[in-house]
Amino acid sequence: GAVVSQHPSRVICKSGTSVKIECRSLDFQATTMFWYRQFPKQSLMLMATSNEGSKATYEQGVEKDKFLINHASLTLSTLTVTSAHPEDSSFYICSAYRNEKLFFGSGTQLSVL
Amino acid sequence: GDSVTQMEGPVTLSEEAFLTINCTYTATGYPSLFWYVQYPGEGLQLLLKATKADDKGSNKGFEATYRKETTSFHLEKGSVQVSDSAVYFCALSGLTGGGNKLTFGTGTQLKVEL
Repeated sequence: GAVVSQHPSRVICKSGTSVKIECRSLDFQATTMFWYRQFPKQSLMLMATSNEGSKATYEQGVEKDKFLINHASLTLSTLTVTSAHPEDSSFYICSAYRNEKLFFGSGTQLSVL
Repeated sequence: GDSVTQMEGPVTLSEEAFLTINCTYTATGYPSLFWYVQYPGEGLQLLLKATKADDKGSNKGFEATYRKETTSFHLEKGSVQVSDSAVYFCALSGLTGGGNKLTFGTGTQLKVEL
């Protein structure tokens, strides 16, 4: 089946630094990818929709200047958390859409100290 | 807006026990409903789905019935195995989401012991 690889699985960084998370579709091309985050004991929430070759669409309340999304190719989308702060600590998951199905990465646990 | 509420975990069961994980939803219109499973170290995988009222989704011994009157989509399995230990997410795809924009619940961790 289709595989989505997400890297890194876990990252710890200092407050004020930037962190990049990669999401790759390994055996298919994905024109649309999605980024979710989940705070402890809360729902998995959609942050943004990433479309290859165009600007991402952000959900209400998500700061586009803080969460930079780049979808430069049909197999790679990246999420950069800029100037990370402790409140950005969360579990981030990407997914790719293909043939009316969603395929998910295994997630990235971000801890900002 | 759309929302999904599912029971908090962790749920700990002995092997061969009966499993129920409750899920209720709020949405306008007639959403499609899903259960996803995430095994340790892996991405979420679609377990089953139902697209209209009274539909029953089933897979790997799991099943869930779309109950419009109670706005519920409870997940059940008659006899769980240790290999079913995972996190289970209930989700819906509403009017504004099309088929690819999902609203998730919080996830319920299931631990099955020998």
